[in-house]
Amino acid sequence: GAVVSQHPSRVICKSGTSVKIECRSLDFQATTMFWYRQFPKQSLMLMATSNEGSKATYEQGVEKDKFLINHASLTLSTLTVTSAHPEDSSFYICSARDPDRNTEAFFGQGTRLTVV
Amino acid sequence: GQSLEQPSEVTAVEGAIVQINCTYQTSGFYGLSWYQQHDGGAPTFLSYNALDGLEETGRFSSFLSRSDSYGYLLLQELQMKDSASYFCAAHNQGGKLIFGQGTELSVKP
Repeated sequence: GAVVSQHPSRVICKSGTSVKIECRSLDFQATTMFWYRQFPKQSLMLMATSNEGSKATYEQGVEKDKFLINHASLTLSTLTVTSAHPEDSSFYICSARDPDRNTEAFFGQGTRLTVV
Repeated sequence: GQSLEQPSEVTAVEGAIVQINCTYQTSGFYGLSWYQQHDGGAPTFLSYNALDGLEETGRFSSFLSRSDSYGYLLLQELQMKDSASYFCAAHNQGGKLIFGQGTELSVKP
């Protein structure tokens, strides 16, 4: 089946630094990928839609200058959390759709970010 | 706004049947999916309904009624490994998924 790979799975960083998270579709091309954030015992909240070759579309309340998204190719989207603060600590998950299997979204393994 | 409502938690015993309901209020609704998530893991796809009716996949079935903005996930012959969080998610235009708050299912021996 289609696989989406996300890296790193865990990262600890100091306040004020930036962290980059990668999301790759391994066996299909994804013109669109999605980034979610999930706090403990809560739902997945859509942060932004990553579009290959164009600007990302951010959901209301998500700071585009803080969460930089780059969709450089049909298989790679990156999320950079800039100037991270402890409140940014969360589980970040990407997803992508295989155009040939449009009803199912494939999720990456998630990245547990801890800002200290 | 867009919202999906589902119970926060459900408890059942091994071998039983459990139904997790989901009501939704969204714009541009295309269909309803269900995902399972174990602690610390990524969500995994269970089922999708675009049309009214019941979809069956092994022990899991999902139902949708567009006129009632309602769906449910039915889990049969519960096993301990089914203990997890279950999310309903509405498909919107552009392929977006809007998730419900999740239902934590505890399966007891």
